[in-house]
Formats: sequence, C-alpha cells, structure tokens
Amino acid sequence: AQTVTQSQPEMSVQEAETVTLSCTYDTSESDYYLFWYKQPPSRQMILVIRQEAYKQQNATENRFSVNFQKAAKSFSLKISDSQLGDAAMYFCAYRSALLGNQFYFGTGTSLTVIP
Amino acid sequence: NAGVTQTPKFRILKIGQSMTLQCTQDMNHNYMYWYRQDPGMGLKLIYYSVGAGITDKGEVPNGYNVSRSTTEDFPLRLELAAPSQTSVYFCASSSLRAGRAQETQYFGPGTRLLVL
Repeated sequence: AQTVTQSQPEMSVQEAETVTLSCTYDTSESDYYLFWYKQPPSRQMILVIRQEAYKQQNATENRFSVNFQKAAKSFSLKISDSQLGDAAMYFCAYRSALLGNQFYFGTGTSLTVIP
Repeated sequence: NAGVTQTPKFRILKIGQSMTLQCTQDMNHNYMYWYRQDPGMGLKLIYYSVGAGITDKGEVPNGYNVSRSTTEDFPLRLELAAPSQTSVYFCASSSLRAGRAQETQYFGPGTRLLVL
C-alpha cells in the first residue's frame, strides 16, 4: 500500500506571511494524483488543491500553490498571504489513477494563524 | 445540489448496540466511500462502492457492513458497537469520467460517534 507522510504535526504562521507544509509519499506507480485537503473545526473536508502526476507544472489556486517533485516523491503546499480563515488541519492525500482505487491520507498538519 | 449529506451529526451508543450511518449524494456519482478518522490521525478507508450493487472492503472493514442499492445512498452499518469504533465517520463520493476514476472526492460533513 502507498504511504503518505506529513512530518510536521503543527505549524504556525503570522497573518499575511507565507507558510509551507510538507508531504512525502511512497509509491511504485507512475500515474497518480495528489491532493491537499483542509479540515476546519467544522470537521468537513474541503479540497484545497490537486496535482496530476503526469503534469510537470505545479498547480496553483489563488493563494495556494504546490511544489511537486516527482523524483523526490515530495508534494509541499505553500500558503501565501495567510489569513485567519486558513487555520485548520491540512491533510495530504494520494490516489492512484487506476479505477476504483482508494485515497491514502497523511496524519495531518495543524496550522495556526497568528493575528 | 446539496452534495454529500450525512445523518446523524452526532450519536452516543452503548457497547453492543447497533446503528446505521446514513449517506446520500445528489451528484449522480458512481463511487462512494466511508472513512473513519480517529483523533489526531488521517482518514482510513472502511468500505467503498464503485456503483449500485457493488461494494468492496477498504483498509479497516472489521465491525462494519455496507450496502449500495441505489446510486444515491450508501449506508454504513455497525452491528455490535465497541469502544474502538469511537471516531468521526466521513462519507465521500466521486464520479467516473472518460473511463478513468474521477480524482476528486467530495466529502460529507461527518458523523461523530461515541461508544460507551
């Protein structure tokens, strides 16, 4: 089974500053997807950004961007101009491109935004 | 669209009791999933379904059962509740497109279950 590792249980950032959350994964597959999900105190899982492994270009969604290093199996999330509403648990996830395959989640990083 | 809805939001069970967690999606998605999230941990897949009438075990299926009689509904059944099943349960769905599994899952708000 694939494994996803988030080595930072907790992170903090000053409001308006930039923070990077780390994620590494282990797989022998070449075709897959990677995701960052946000889980606020409401517990609902919200998709932040996704990356297709076959694309070399890093995905960007407004203030959120990723640094995808396929050879290193690294997938970090950068949050620019951090806002108080960004405070949440962030989960990195992996999914094979094969039909019906499941997601594998990391253990999460708790992000605190300091006013 | 309401997306993925789950009921109840919170439930307390006694050891040995049974209950069904309901999950409904109105996006006509083929794939549906049940996850559990223990405190401080990521999500673990319990069961999933690739379409009506088809279900399969995930990583942690013991103590649970599922059924998929319609595209919209995917209930999760706990037959004999145990304290180890205290967790937050998430239902999710995704679609099939051009022969490839759609890569994005849509999650429900979760059901918090406490077994005492």
